[in-house]
Amino acid sequence: KAGVTQTPRYLIKTRGQQVTLSCSPISGHRSVSWYQQTPGQGLQFLFEYFSETQRNKGNFPGRFSGRQFSNSRSEMNVSTLELGDSALYLCASSFRQINTGELFFGEGSRLTVL
Amino acid sequence: AQTVTQSQPEMSVQEAETVTLSCTYDTSESDYYLFWYKQPPSRQMILVIRQEAYKQQNATENRFSVNFQKAAKSFSLKISDSQLGDAAMYFCASSETSGSRLTFGEGTQLTVNP
Repeated sequence: KAGVTQTPRYLIKTRGQQVTLSCSPISGHRSVSWYQQTPGQGLQFLFEYFSETQRNKGNFPGRFSGRQFSNSRSEMNVSTLELGDSALYLCASSFRQINTGELFFGEGSRLTVL
Repeated sequence: AQTVTQSQPEMSVQEAETVTLSCTYDTSESDYYLFWYKQPPSRQMILVIRQEAYKQQNATENRFSVNFQKAAKSFSLKISDSQLGDAAMYFCASSETSGSRLTFGEGTQLTVNP
């Protein structure tokens, strides 16, 4: 069974640009969550989607948005990039609707903003 | 809101020895889950062990076990017979059963010395 796949793995952008990150969950998993990982703030929850609906959202500005498609693949978008958006963005999928914490993580997309 | 604190930024252990990683948490929920996740260098995060708060018995997974002290809101991870492959960043995390997000601690970098 293929794991969670995130693309691209690495990308470099400049301030003011926007970026779209993609996540393909494990086949059969309907829940996809996104986390931002930085050395200073650690791992912070961005949002979670289940069956194309956003179920929960973290404390991030409106520049951060996401969506989920009917095949459970998810994308997140960051507009008007700032230097502080440089981070490893992790996607995680799970099968269950109820959160039991059994998340399966991808390797992440490392974003560098110059 | 939940908070998770890991007070040991770094730990080291000799191969074949035992090490304990500490974690404290705070939550207003009566029902919740606690987890330890492992993030090896440049590899995806994986679930090591999970504890359901309503269960008195400490969870065990092979060489990994937890010491769950609910009243003290403490959740430590013991790794027995440490192996070189155990070297990684370890994150303690919590979730509400009614919610869909994980709250992570700051992480503990574990080094295993041969």
